[in-house]
Amino acid sequence: LAKTTQPISMDSYEGQEVNITCSHNNIATNDYITWYQQFPSQGPRFIIQGYKTKVTNEVASLFIPADRKSSTLSLPRVSLSDTAVYYCLVGDHNYGQNFVFGPGTRLSVLP
Amino acid sequence: NAGVTQTPKFQVLKTGQSMTLQCAQDMNHEYMSWYRQDPGMGLRLIHYSVGAGITDQGEVPNGYNVSRSTTEDFPLRLLSAAPSQTSVYFCASSLTGGRGEQYFGPGTRLTVT
Repeated sequence: LAKTTQPISMDSYEGQEVNITCSHNNIATNDYITWYQQFPSQGPRFIIQGYKTKVTNEVASLFIPADRKSSTLSLPRVSLSDTAVYYCLVGDHNYGQNFVFGPGTRLSVLP
Repeated sequence: NAGVTQTPKFQVLKTGQSMTLQCAQDMNHEYMSWYRQDPGMGLRLIHYSVGAGITDQGEVPNGYNVSRSTTEDFPLRLLSAAPSQTSVYFCASSLTGGRGEQYFGPGTRLTVT
């Protein structure tokens, strides 16, 4: 399993862009990178998934460099409601074994 | 679609009691899993299933049993509750397995005294 490392916490202000970087130095060829968001007292919610280069959807962008040893989740113009824990996961089609949630990054958005 | 539902929302057990946490999904997903989340921690995988009749252990399976007789349901049984099993339990399902999005239920908060 590819181990991931993320900052434990980050602070930001409303309206700023937030970038959370995840390191996964031993990522395997078949591994995808997935990010989840979790609010207190709720289950995690899928944000975005990618394999290489850049992926963008309506809520975030995911930047993956060519060596794939890290990835960056970018949240544009955050609001107070983006305060949550963000998890980076790395794994392939081998369901179950590869869904390893670390402690995540606790993002606090301040007014 | 109700998505992934879990019952009960809250439960208090005494040490040694047994109970079943229910999980159901109406999205026809083959892949389902159970996680536990202790305060301030990430989620840890207990058991998972890749289809009806097929289950396997995750990272922390001891003290828990599962079965998957239908695509829709994936109950988690606590055999003899211990205080160390006090946690929030999440069930999840996925259409495409490891490369796809997992949908999580609202969780069951379990306290064992």
